Amino acid sequence: NAGVTQTPKFQVLKTGQSMTLQCAQDMNHEYMSWYRQDPGMGLRLIHYSVGAGITDQGEVPNGYNVSRSTTEDFPLRLLSAAPSQTSVYFCASSYSYRGVGNEQFFGPGTRLTVL
Amino acid sequence: AQSVTQLGSHVSVSEGALVLLRCNYSSSVPPYLFWYVQYPNQGLQLLLKYTTGATLVKGINGFEAEFKKSETSFHLTKPSAHMSDAAEYFCAVSGIGASGSARQLTFGSGTQLTVLP
Repeated sequence: NAGVTQTPKFQVLKTGQSMTLQCAQDMNHEYMSWYRQDPGMGLRLIHYSVGAGITDQGEVPNGYNVSRSTTEDFPLRLLSAAPSQTSVYFCASSYSYRGVGNEQFFGPGTRLTVL
Repeated sequence: AQSVTQLGSHVSVSEGALVLLRCNYSSSVPPYLFWYVQYPNQGLQLLLKYTTGATLVKGINGFEAEFKKSETSFHLTKPSAHMSDAAEYFCAVSGIGASGSARQLTFGSGTQLTVLP
């Protein structure tokens, strides 16, 4: 199993540009999520999904969109990039959202810089 | 509501010394508690977790943590630090809300552990 994969690893955008961060998992996990990691702030939840076709907002959803058309994929879209979105983005998945004690498996991250 | 406070953003220990990373949580429902570790330029991986039952939990790489409800704490310890333990450590909390819905994972701000030779 590849686990959770993310592409690209690095990305530089100009203010106002849009882009999609890709996330895929091959573990047939029900739950998937996107976090951003900023120095001194830990990880903050952007959006999450409890199954195909079901998504919801996390703590910091503004400026981001998600969709989940398949169990495997959970892309994150930046609509109009801003310097405040410079961060490291992590995708994670877990077997079942209802088993809230389940371990989340994290991807390697995407380092995004917005100029 | 729930939150996590990690005391000390940076901790340094000598190789072979005790590692103690502090975590206090706030939760209005019984908490599920986690410690994750992040090595440089990698994603997070689970060290250990507490959901119910035994309050002393053992994890990978010789780490353990004790859930103390009265102190709302879940400190991470390892008797003898190794150079390979140098990483950033995150405490996190979730749980089941009053309505039966699952709460999202809330992370602390992290503690960077440095191990000195």
